[in-house]
Amino acid sequence: AQKVTQAQTEISVVEKEDVTLDCVYETRDTTYYLFWYKQPPSGELVFLIRRNSFDEQNEISGRYSWNFQKSTSSFNFTITASQVVDSAVYFCALSEDFYGGSQGNLIFGKGTKLSVKP
Amino acid sequence: DTAVSQTPKYLVTQMGNDKSIKCEQNLGHDTMYWYKQDSKKFLKIMFSYNNKELIINETVPNRFSPKSPDKAHLNLHINSLELGDSAVYFCASSQDPGADEQYFGPGTRLTVT
Repeated sequence: AQKVTQAQTEISVVEKEDVTLDCVYETRDTTYYLFWYKQPPSGELVFLIRRNSFDEQNEISGRYSWNFQKSTSSFNFTITASQVVDSAVYFCALSEDFYGGSQGNLIFGKGTKLSVKP
Repeated sequence: DTAVSQTPKYLVTQMGNDKSIKCEQNLGHDTMYWYKQDSKKFLKIMFSYNNKELIINETVPNRFSPKSPDKAHLNLHINSLELGDSAVYFCASSQDPGADEQYFGPGTRLTVT
């Protein structure tokens, strides 16, 4: 069965601190995809990143970085020098290979609410 | 141009009514989805359409029915609304189901009184 666990329900930091959001996933498939989405207070869901199971290379995009480790089934997200505008709920999600028999939908974790205080 | 749009953004209605939420995407994607976000922010798939065929039908009540007049539209019809249907409903689209990122509409906040 597929599952995504975000153990941190809420995190509060002060601006300019670094923060890491944890994500642990479960899947039996060898081909799968991992995602992070951001949901700011305005409510929309914003796509941040996608990784496939064959690409364990870490990625950096500005102040954002992602660490994918298959050995620990984790896909963690780090924000460096956090800003007030980073305050949001962040969701980690998993999907499996549709052409391998999966239904292809996103399975979301319960989200981590990040509050960045000035 | 908005990639995935939904109307209405807010919907307040009484128990027992029938309502629809419309979704349109202009990304040329082949797959569209409906997700429900409950009061605890938990997101769960309801339906998806790939090339106008239903490929997921989770354990949602049959009062909910998706209708896709064409590849760019996936509407959600809800009959006999109940208090427990109050939630935010998100439409999304992607090119390939599973493999590609999904782009979400702004959400429709449904309140049933």
